[in-house]
Amino acid sequence: EIVMTQSPATLSVSPGERATLSCRASQSVSTNLAWYQQKRGQAPRLLIYGASTRATGIPVRFSGSGSGTELTLTISSLQSEDFAVYYCQQYNNWPNTFGQGTKVEI
Amino acid sequence: QVQLVQSGAEVKKPGASVILSCKASGYTFTTYFIHWLRQAPGQGPEWMGRINPGDATTNYAQNLQGRVTIARDTSTHTVYMELSGLRSEDTALYYCAREIAVSGTKAFDLWGQGTMVTVSS
Repeated sequence: EIVMTQSPATLSVSPGERATLSCRASQSVSTNLAWYQQKRGQAPRLLIYGASTRATGIPVRFSGSGSGTELTLTISSLQSEDFAVYYCQQYNNWPNTFGQGTKVEI
Repeated sequence: QVQLVQSGAEVKKPGASVILSCKASGYTFTTYFIHWLRQAPGQGPEWMGRINPGDATTNYAQNLQGRVTIARDTSTHTVYMELSGLRSEDTALYYCAREIAVSGTKAFDLWGQGTMVTVSS
């Protein structure tokens, strides 16, 4: 199965700053990648699919880029509600696999 | 409204089986695949399997093959997941999730609230 590695494990940023989260795949996933946000005690929320397409209702400050084995989620100007754990998920190969997450904290 | 509502928390002994339910509402039940995933504390989600509610065809994760069964009841718009031969490492939060209706995209745009399963002697 494809192993997804996210970095950094924890990202400390201030409100208004830009955050860049990385996801590396053990083999190419093309653009078959999704990003999720998970807050404490809640289910994951879909942010991005197809590596760069925002899901319904997701603010434009969230953007995804990359293809193959190196993909990135960028939050252009962090808001207080963006502090959470972010996961990448590949669906290029069975089974779907997720990364271990990046925690974005103040 | 559009939602998936899961059954309540379970505590089971090693070797037992558990059946979880996921009731869909607010959309056409047979149109969207439903997946089951689980998440251990501090870890990313792990995919377990999926069902096509339209024809009941299923796919399962290889590491759970033989222990997991997913089924649906179209009359109640409910999907069930049974996990047998429970072990302590099966302790996790279990989610059902809907696959987004975008061709070739196995991402999940609607999630249940989660069901905690604890396996302990």
